[in-house]
Amino acid sequence: KAGVTQTPRYLIKTRGQQVTLSCSPISGHRSVSWYQQTPGQGLQFLFEYFSETQRNKGNFPGRFSGRQFSNSRSEMNVSTLELGDSALYLCASSLLLGTDTQYFGPGTRLTVL
Amino acid sequence: EDQVTQSPEALRLQEGESSSLNCSYTVSGLRGLFWYRQDPGKGPEFLFTLYSAGEEKEKERLKATLTKKESFLHITAPKPEDSATYLCAVQAPFGAGGLRGSRLTFGEGTQLTVNP
Repeated sequence: KAGVTQTPRYLIKTRGQQVTLSCSPISGHRSVSWYQQTPGQGLQFLFEYFSETQRNKGNFPGRFSGRQFSNSRSEMNVSTLELGDSALYLCASSLLLGTDTQYFGPGTRLTVL
Repeated sequence: EDQVTQSPEALRLQEGESSSLNCSYTVSGLRGLFWYRQDPGKGPEFLFTLYSAGEEKEKERLKATLTKKESFLHITAPKPEDSATYLCAVQAPFGAGGLRGSRLTFGEGTQLTVNP
């Protein structure tokens, strides 16, 4: 069974630009969560999607947004990029909302110059 | 607010030298405690889920235990390939309404190095 896939794996952007990251969950998984990982803050929850609806959101500014499609694939968007947005963005999928194990993808490394 | 504290921040062991990693947590309504392993530049790899105090789980050289306030990851006779950052996370019901999600709150991790 294929794992969680994320594209692209690496991105370099400049301040003020916007970026879209993509995540394909494990086949059959319907819940997708996004996390930001930085050396200073560790792994922090961004948002969670289930049935094409955002169910929960972490403490991030409105520049961070996302969506989920009917096939459970998800995208997240960051607008007006700032230097501090440089991070590893991780997507995790689980079978259903609120159930146990979340399985992570390899992440997208975003560098903002 | 859910909180997770891991110690030590870094641990260096000789091959075969057993040790334990600690994860202390504060959470309202623990749904599960998770251990992940993360190699540099990769996403976290799932190891264990623990649901209630007294529960233990084992996988090869790793054994995870859970009490009401903390969890331990015991590493027996480690090998160099066990070198990685080990992350602990707690899951609690989050949000409102009929379908409540479960975000993970992570600790900062323990960076383990096992020397041959």
